[in-house]
Amino acid sequence: DVKVTQSSRYLVKRTGEKVFLECVQDMDHENMFWYRQDPGLGLRLIYFSYDVKMKEKGDIPEGYSVSREKKERFSLILESASTNQTSMYLCASSTPLNGSYDEQFFGPGTRLTVL
Amino acid sequence: GQNIDQPTEMTATEGAIVQINCTYQTSGFNGLFWYQQHAGEAPTFLSYNVLDGLEEKGRFSSFLSRSKGYSYLLLKELQMKDSASYLCAVRLYGNNRLAFGKGNQVVVIP
Repeated sequence: DVKVTQSSRYLVKRTGEKVFLECVQDMDHENMFWYRQDPGLGLRLIYFSYDVKMKEKGDIPEGYSVSREKKERFSLILESASTNQTSMYLCASSTPLNGSYDEQFFGPGTRLTVL
Repeated sequence: GQNIDQPTEMTATEGAIVQINCTYQTSGFNGLFWYQQHAGEAPTFLSYNVLDGLEEKGRFSSFLSRSKGYSYLLLKELQMKDSASYLCAVRLYGNNRLAFGKGNQVVVIP
């Protein structure tokens, strides 16, 4: 079974703090993704990575950065947290598309509250 | 930009059949996924379509028409545990990332 774990289920931070959200997958997947999910807006892609040390901006990268130093770990960084970054953050991983399909496997999510 | 539309919410009775629609207008198309998400949990994969037609998987079936930019997920013999949000996601051609719809909340009542 694919397992994607996230460092915290719930996190409360103050405005201006630097926040690290960690994601680890144990299935040797090349692709990793960070999304945020908000009521009425659905899942929106923040950043993704198809290889170690590689990153691509998604639809809403402003205010975020990422780090992929090892294949199994993909970190999302909020350089200076703001209240509008209060959200559910979901990490996902997948294999590259190769003949069949490349379903994404999601972690349990981190509910971040910025006060 | 990507536009993926799903109805917001629907209610159905246990044992019934429900059809969840998804229409899309995207810059390139390379497959469509359906995910199920229970409240407070992560989305889990249900089905995948890349060619036109129906894919059946037990109580769940998914249909795709690429010319119409349309898909639906059919849930048969509804059970209470099917109460969840159902997410439609289009894989975009080129970088293969997914663009998600906002999800359709299905409430199953006895």
